[in-house]
This record gives sequence, C-alpha cells and structure tokens, in this order.
Amino acid sequence: EIVLTQSPATLSLSPGERATLSCRASQSVSSYLAWYQQKPGQAPRLLIYDASNRATGIPARFSGSGSGTDFTLTISSLEPEDFAVYYCQQRSNWPPTFGPGTKVDIK
Amino acid sequence: EVQLVESGGGLVKPGGSLRLSCAASGFTFSSYSMNWVRQAPGKGLEWVSSISSSSSYIYYADSVKGRFTISRDNAKNSLYLQMNSLRAEDTAVYYCARDWEELEALFDYWGQGTLVTVSS
Repeated sequence: EIVLTQSPATLSLSPGERATLSCRASQSVSSYLAWYQQKPGQAPRLLIYDASNRATGIPARFSGSGSGTDFTLTISSLEPEDFAVYYCQQRSNWPPTFGPGTKVDIK
Repeated sequence: EVQLVESGGGLVKPGGSLRLSCAASGFTFSSYSMNWVRQAPGKGLEWVSSISSSSSYIYYADSVKGRFTISRDNAKNSLYLQMNSLRAEDTAVYYCARDWEELEALFDYWGQGTLVTVSS
C-alpha cells in the first residue's frame, strides 16, 4: 500500500501567518491527493481534492499544489478557526490511505 | 442538506460482535458508494471498507477482512457494518463517509461518528 508521510508533525503559528504543510507519498499518486481538516471532537472535512481543487464552500485562503509524490497545503493567512489537524489522503491505489496528520496550533 | 448519522457503537468484549448503522438523508443514497473510516483514540484516520451504490463491489482493509461485513439497504437509505471477532485494536470512532463519485475513495461528507470500545 502507498504510505503517506506528513511534515511537520506540529506547526505552531500565530493568526495571520502563512502555514505550509507537506505530504509525501511512497510512490507516485499522480494528482489523486486530498486534504482534510479535523477539529477536536468533529468529523474530518474535505478541503482539497485532486491536489489543487478546493471543495465546495472552502475559503480561497486554502490552496493545494503538487503532483507525483510531493504535495503542499498552504493556508495563506491563518484564521482562528483554522487551528486543527490536517490529513492528506491518496486515492490513486487501493487501499486508500491517509497520512498521520499535521497539527496546526496557536503559537 | 446531506446528513449521515451513525449509531450502534458501544462497549463490547474481545471476541464479541457489534453492528453499526448509518442513516443517510439529503441526497439520493442509491446513487453513491459509501465507506467506513475509523479513528483510534488520539490517532489518525484509517479506511475500513467501501461498498458500491448497487452493492456489486465491496472492499475491505486487510486489518478487518474476514471479520467485518459492509452492507447497505437503498430502500432504507442505510449503510451497515457488521463487526465480528472484535479485538482491542478495533477500538475507534467509526465514521460513515460518502464517496463523491462511484468508488473514487474521495470522502466528501462524513457523519459525526460512533465510538466502539473493545475491552474486557
């Protein structure tokens, strides 16, 4: 199965700062990479699909890039509600797999 | 509004069984493949199982194959997960998630989850 690694494990930033999260795949997943946001006690929410497409209702401050094995989720200016855990997920090969997550917390 | 509501979680002894349900509303359930994804306490997300819209195609994670059975009833807009031979490592919140297109493994809507605890 394809293994996804995410870095850093924790990102400590202040509101208004730019967040850059990385996801690396053990083999190419083409552009079949999604990003989810999860807040404590809540279900995950789809943010980005196919590497760079924002899901319905997702603010423009969230953007995704990359292809093959290296991907990035960027939050251009952190809002208070953006402090959460972010997971990447590949759907190029079965089984679908998730990365271990990056926690974005308040500095 | 799309809604997915899981139920059926609880405390069960190792080796026991449990059946989870997911009630769907706000969309044409019979047109979408559905999935179960779980999350152990304090851990990340793990895909468990997928079922196509007509139940023709079913997939399982190796960790649950032979023990769990996914099914659906399109007349009742419901998804199920029968879990047998439960182990401590099956302890998790189980989420029901919709696939944005047939068996694409892109989870666009999620339920709030139901907690399964396997412990003696």
